[in-house]
Amino acid sequence: QKEVEQNSGPLSVPEGAIASLNCTYSDRGSQSFFWYRQYSGKSPELIMFIYSNGDKEDGRFTAQLNKASQYVSLLIRDSQPSDSATYLCAVGTNAGKSTFGDGTTLTVKP
Amino acid sequence: EAEVAQSPRYKITEKSQAVAFWCDPISGHATLYWYRQILGQGPELLVQFQDESVVDDSQLPKDRFSAERLKGVDSTLKIQPAELGDSAMYLCASSELPQGLVGNEQFFGPGTRLTVL
Repeated sequence: QKEVEQNSGPLSVPEGAIASLNCTYSDRGSQSFFWYRQYSGKSPELIMFIYSNGDKEDGRFTAQLNKASQYVSLLIRDSQPSDSATYLCAVGTNAGKSTFGDGTTLTVKP
Repeated sequence: EAEVAQSPRYKITEKSQAVAFWCDPISGHATLYWYRQILGQGPELLVQFQDESVVDDSQLPKDRFSAERLKGVDSTLKIQPAELGDSAMYLCASSELPQGLVGNEQFFGPGTRLTVL
């Protein structure tokens, strides 16, 4: 079992819809949680981070963390074709190390 | 805006040859990471530096890979000899905070795409 699990997708949503991306992790000692967006052939770009249980909103993005369930999610509201990318979940420990999932590919159809 | 620099962007080499990648982190960032990303997978940590010291190289294939960050600023990752299975994207990232502190968001450079023939 991988330390960080994501549905590989592809996830397809129509333009303007809400995209929901999910991630589970196995290390209960994990303290920091990150979402990266990666366009094809490009490097990952940090879009959200969350450290406490609950929701964190930044523009059209909302990260949700539930440490008891070892679950973190990313919601993208009003999805745009430019949001089409692979979304990587990363989970960090207090050693400064982050473990990445294999990503979920999102396609937003006009 | 400060960025992580990497070179070269692309490298094609033949198996058994030596290759080297360079990374310059964001100024002032204490922690530097080298990752390998195979197509369709997430980045896999190869080595993590705190200033000039290696703090995690458990996944670095030490028989052929080496990494250094001599002055605690820029870093070089070397592969010798390269094998076909080394074809991947090599990513460098840096974070401001040292290990042990929550909140060390990592910022990635553009990566080096390595093709081994």
